[in-house]
Amino acid sequence: QVQLVQSGAEVKKPGASVKISCKASGYTFISYYMYWVRQAPGQGLEWLGRINPRDGATSNAQNFQGRLTMTRDTSTSTVYMELSRLGSEDTAVYYCARYSSSSGALDYWGQGSLVTVSS
Amino acid sequence: DIQMTQSPSSLSASVGDRVTITCRASQSIRSYVNWYQHQPGKAPKLLIYAASILQSGVPSRFNGSGFGTDFTLTISSLQAEDSAIYFCQQSNYAPFFTFGPGTKVDIK
Repeated sequence: QVQLVQSGAEVKKPGASVKISCKASGYTFISYYMYWVRQAPGQGLEWLGRINPRDGATSNAQNFQGRLTMTRDTSTSTVYMELSRLGSEDTAVYYCARYSSSSGALDYWGQGSLVTVSS
Repeated sequence: DIQMTQSPSSLSASVGDRVTITCRASQSIRSYVNWYQHQPGKAPKLLIYAASILQSGVPSRFNGSGFGTDFTLTISSLQAEDSAIYFCQQSNYAPFFTFGPGTKVDIK
């Protein structure tokens, strides 16, 4: 069965960077885009960006341009999301989610990784 | 940027009740809306895609409808396990997804 398993919670100081992993299993890794979405406390979901695991091509939301880096390792079926220059507003649960082109939806999600930015 | 709104923000209903959640887009998104269920501590779950198509494995009491700017998610007979936050998402402008703020459904 399809599974997306994310790395654990992180606590970071303002100005630092965080890197979260998302390990995929149960399907052909390179055949599906992976999206990153976050939810800050009391807020709705926000799209950060996506990566094509086949070639590593990425698209970012404009709000994160220059701060967000997404990479993948096809040998381990893992995608990574790194967010730099963290501020308190980046405190959130970060999710990876698989995009299905046949449905146009995010059909499988990771369990979420809590990132807390605090001095 | 396209905005998604939902109403109500929360509701409380009894087991067996019919529950309706609405989602509105700030401009037409044709039928490119998806609905998700998010329960505490769990990964979000896709319920409905393309406005009205039930994702495999999702109970048939969940139903989606709408086109253009106005969409509805209906739970025909609420069950205890349906307590969750439900949110809509537009995919008309993929990859630039936008999500609704969510509707919290509680069981009385």
